[in-house]
Amino acid sequence: AQSVTQPDIHITVSEGASLELRCNYSYGATPYLFWYVQSPGQGLQLLLKYFSGDTLVQGIKGFEAEFKRSQSSFNLRKPSVHWSDAAEYFCAVGGGSYIPTFGRGTSLIVHP
Amino acid sequence: NAGVTQTPKFQVLKTGQSMTLQCAQDMNHEYMSWYRQDPGMGLRLIHYSVGAGITDQGEVPNGYNVSRSTTEDFPLRLLSAAPSQTSVYFCATKGGLAGPGELFFGEGSRLTVL
Repeated sequence: AQSVTQPDIHITVSEGASLELRCNYSYGATPYLFWYVQSPGQGLQLLLKYFSGDTLVQGIKGFEAEFKRSQSSFNLRKPSVHWSDAAEYFCAVGGGSYIPTFGRGTSLIVHP
Repeated sequence: NAGVTQTPKFQVLKTGQSMTLQCAQDMNHEYMSWYRQDPGMGLRLIHYSVGAGITDQGEVPNGYNVSRSTTEDFPLRLLSAAPSQTSVYFCATKGGLAGPGELFFGEGSRLTVL
């Protein structure tokens, strides 16, 4: 069975600081990995995805994530956070099934 | 292009009442699904469909019914609402069935059951 752990429920950063959100997955083969963002009162929007190839993937809004097979991780990073990045972030894993499994989410708070 | 449209956006029900949450998509996606989102629980899959006439249960199906008579629509029915069904509900679609891909979400329907 596939599963996702997002160890941090809340993360607080200052505007302009760097950001890393953690995601650990469990899946027996090469996983498909996703990061979604949910702004307040909105649905989820895809930030980036990893299927194969280069383990460092670039997404929208200046985000990137690195797939590390040895650590079963797919952490999301951004070098300089903007106040508009305050949102809920979800990591998801998929594999043989077309149904992804979502983590419980990390809430990002940005201080001015 | 509207994408995924959910109605209503907000609803208050009394225990025992029934209602239907509507989901319509104009992307010709085969896969449609319903999730509920609760604080600290992330997204949990209720039901999904891989095409007209085909539905299946997800992780938390009890208390919910679905049907898929057309490609475009995937309504979620609560036959007898309970306070435990107070949640935010999201409809999500995906093009193609061969492996996982990007899910497209509606804006959500916030349901309160008193």
